[in-house]
Amino acid sequence: ETGVTQSPTHLIKTRGQQVTLRCSSQSGHNTVSWYQQALGQGPQFIFQYYREEENGRGNFPPRFSGLQFPNYSSELNVNALELDDSALYLCASSLGRGGGGDTQYFGPGTRLTVL
Amino acid sequence: AQSVTQLGSHVSVSEGALVLLRCNYSSSVPPYLFWYVQYPNQGLQLLLKYTSAATLVKGINGFEAEFKKSETSFHLTKPSAHMSDAAEYFCAVSEETSGSRLTFGEGTQLTVNP
Repeated sequence: ETGVTQSPTHLIKTRGQQVTLRCSSQSGHNTVSWYQQALGQGPQFIFQYYREEENGRGNFPPRFSGLQFPNYSSELNVNALELDDSALYLCASSLGRGGGGDTQYFGPGTRLTVL
Repeated sequence: AQSVTQLGSHVSVSEGALVLLRCNYSSSVPPYLFWYVQYPNQGLQLLLKYTSAATLVKGINGFEAEFKKSETSFHLTKPSAHMSDAAEYFCAVSEETSGSRLTFGEGTQLTVNP
């Protein structure tokens, strides 16, 4: 157990809808990162937040957005869902402020299916 | 830009045999390297990480990996496979200049045969 939880476990949406995924980091972990893992692939970095400010972003369009809250919870929002957004979404928290050697602790993920 | 290549998307070994999972990286600066394991329908669990303290890194569950700069490799090994080792394994790299964002390889599915 990493102490990182995510909700919901599974979610089914239709194309064009909006979705919010939630993550609760380990207490004291000020950095949260989100990853998208398509079936049969490695996770891809979406973005990272440090103390409620975006601290880096991968090659994802603006319809992917996030929020981090002072209580160590965070959200990933995806607007205008597309079929290719179907994936496992992982959040990971870390103690540091996003340094290269920081260990990231992953949650179990949310499986999103877009029909 | 950082990248990771995992050679062999599927590896099959017999129980008790040596496990060798290959990872090569590309990085313009000294890298940090990680191995994660993913069991079905679960998140990622850290096995071990390299942060320049020692080239031979020991992790959990009997796994270890050796950083070889000249070969840009960070292969994962375990002397004796156990049935419970069957899972997907991911090698990942991060750099100080890009923060703690991880770049993952495509993964290697390990099967352990009785």
